[in-house]
Amino acid sequence: EAQVTQNPRYLITVTGKKLTVTCSQNMNHEYMSWYRQDPGLGLRQIYYSMNVEVTDKGDVPEGYKVSRKEKRNFPLILESPSPNQTSLYFCASSRDRDKNTGELFFGEGSRLTVL
Amino acid sequence: DAKTTQPPSMDCAEGRAANLPCNHSTISGNEYVYWYRQIHSQGPQYIIHGLKNNETNEMASLIITEDRKSSTLILPHATLRDTAVYYCIVRVVESYSGAGSYQLTFGKGTKLSVIP
Repeated sequence: EAQVTQNPRYLITVTGKKLTVTCSQNMNHEYMSWYRQDPGLGLRQIYYSMNVEVTDKGDVPEGYKVSRKEKRNFPLILESPSPNQTSLYFCASSRDRDKNTGELFFGEGSRLTVL
Repeated sequence: DAKTTQPPSMDCAEGRAANLPCNHSTISGNEYVYWYRQIHSQGPQYIIHGLKNNETNEMASLIITEDRKSSTLILPHATLRDTAVYYCIVRVVESYSGAGSYQLTFGKGTKLSVIP
């Protein structure tokens, strides 16, 4: 089954404790992206990756890092989480640009709480 | 990308057609109209997209006005599982335009409640 898998789905952590949210897709997609969703603010893009070893900042990259060492994985790293990073996070992927019809496939989300 | 305007909420009786409107009066000639939905904090789900012709798939139909300034998403027989927030998005799709072609800006959408 084609899917985007995120882990963990739920996490409560404390300020300053480094954490990683993993994202994996099994569709051989080139493009991957991370969004956060907050009440009243909609979905905002954090980082995206056009292909392996190619990443770039989205609209709200501060406090986050990403890496793309393999095509299927795109982890989101919070080096020193703060309470304002409490949010619902989504990973998404899409086919390569030559065939891109704009359909993004989203994961089920990771709800993160930073105390 | 052009901005869209959607009603904040709508109700629909179960089994009836749900017609969700979207205004995109500043849409450019090379911008597509996309619809996604999000069911109760799950990941957004792609529904359909179109440029200027009406489109239909197994989930819905998309009707785009001739001047392309507005569109309507039609769920022909709404069920309780169609209760969700529906997002109308317009954006350019290009083969070699770089990262911009992958950007999707989600507004606040329309919360559709399907009522038994």
